[in-house]
Amino acid sequence: AQTVTQSQPEMSVQEAETVTLSCTYDTSENNYYLFWYKQPPSRQMILVIRQEAYKQQNATENRFSVNFQKAAKSFSLKISDSQLGDTAMYFCAFMKQFTGNQFYFGTGTSLTVIP
Amino acid sequence: DTGVSQNPRHKITKRGQNVTFRCDPISEHNRLYWYRQTLGQGPEFLTYFQNEAQLEKSRLLSDRFSAERPKGSFSTLEIQRTEQGDSAMYLCASSSGLPGRQYFGPGTRLTVT
Repeated sequence: AQTVTQSQPEMSVQEAETVTLSCTYDTSENNYYLFWYKQPPSRQMILVIRQEAYKQQNATENRFSVNFQKAAKSFSLKISDSQLGDTAMYFCAFMKQFTGNQFYFGTGTSLTVIP
Repeated sequence: DTGVSQNPRHKITKRGQNVTFRCDPISEHNRLYWYRQTLGQGPEFLTYFQNEAQLEKSRLLSDRFSAERPKGSFSTLEIQRTEQGDSAMYLCASSSGLPGRQYFGPGTRLTVT
């Protein structure tokens, strides 16, 4: 079974600063995807960033980047130049690459950006 | 692209009643997912459709739950004989192409009294 753990229930960051959200996962699979999804207050969940496990290069999307450590089963999200619109719940998620479409989400980290 | 829509947005029902939720995915998306999310938790996978075929079901999906996707378009999730533990947000998502890039709907919040 796959599990995803987010050990930081709540975090805050000053506007324009950098923050890192942690995620660890447990799997016996070698081929999989990892994701960070964002759920703003009362709005739909959207994909922030996606990483394929076979790629050593860390994914980046504008102000968002990840630190993927496959051996350590760690997948942290770094948000640079934090903006007020980044305030949201952030969920780390796992999906096996070839043997199914089942997603496994962590419990989420509530991020507040302080003006 | 009008996004994923779900109806109703809120549903209050008495224990023991049946409820049905509808999800309309993005029109060209062939994959459709249902999740359940309770307060303070991440979404829990319930089931997955590729076109009209239901390919995966979670063990969470007891025999009181059934989902359909006739003709590979909209999907319905029915809960029979609702229990208070069924109170949650039910999320639908659809995707096509890039694995894992899911587009979520706003959810249906179910309250069982």
